[in-house]
Amino acid sequence: SQQGEEDPQALSIQEGENATMNCSYKTSINNLQWYRQNSGRGLVHLILIRSNEREKHSGRLRVTLDTSKKSSSLLITASRAADTASYFCATGRDSWGKLQFGAGTQVVVTP
Amino acid sequence: NAGVTQTPKFRVLKTGQSMTLLCAQDMNHEYMYWYRQDPGMGLRLIHYSVGEGTTAKGEVPDGYNVSRLKKQNFLLGLESAAPSQTSVYFCASSYSGLAGNEQFFGPGTRLTVL
Repeated sequence: SQQGEEDPQALSIQEGENATMNCSYKTSINNLQWYRQNSGRGLVHLILIRSNEREKHSGRLRVTLDTSKKSSSLLITASRAADTASYFCATGRDSWGKLQFGAGTQVVVTP
Repeated sequence: NAGVTQTPKFRVLKTGQSMTLLCAQDMNHEYMYWYRQDPGMGLRLIHYSVGEGTTAKGEVPDGYNVSRLKKQNFLLGLESAAPSQTSVYFCASSYSGLAGNEQFFGPGTRLTVL
């Protein structure tokens, strides 16, 4: 079973626009992570937010976490063609580092 | 540093054949994981290891076995491949599991079972 579910499933935007995607989950977590996957490649870690944090920034990325609503959002500002990828949220609940991934959001950024 | 490497990159098997996927990491990470990724789905955890000599079942362990004889290597075995095991397999490693740590992923192995 998947813990996280992303919304939307697909997103098409133009360069310079912002991209926002959401992740909802079902049970309590101790951290939530976002990963990017370029076509045919492995996943690359973007950002981790712990359950006691509400917002984190990393470069053009902004992540929020609302544990009362069991949801998170990832904002990519000033998108570039190189941001074209699938984005996955993953929730961690235990001390073994196991993650449960959502199905992902496919983002296409056109020049 | 090579990070996390996986061999082979591609493989085609016939139903009933066996094979082993090798994952190697050079970051001295304690924790290693095997996932499978199917179309339209996120990654699902098959097995994981929290240190040399240890293994544990993940979400979808049936039909797979693993071994972690050396800290840097994590092997995934399919004893009798089935078409349902056609998938892309990813290995990942992390420094520890405590309080959440990022996982570093390999490039994947695309397996087709006919």
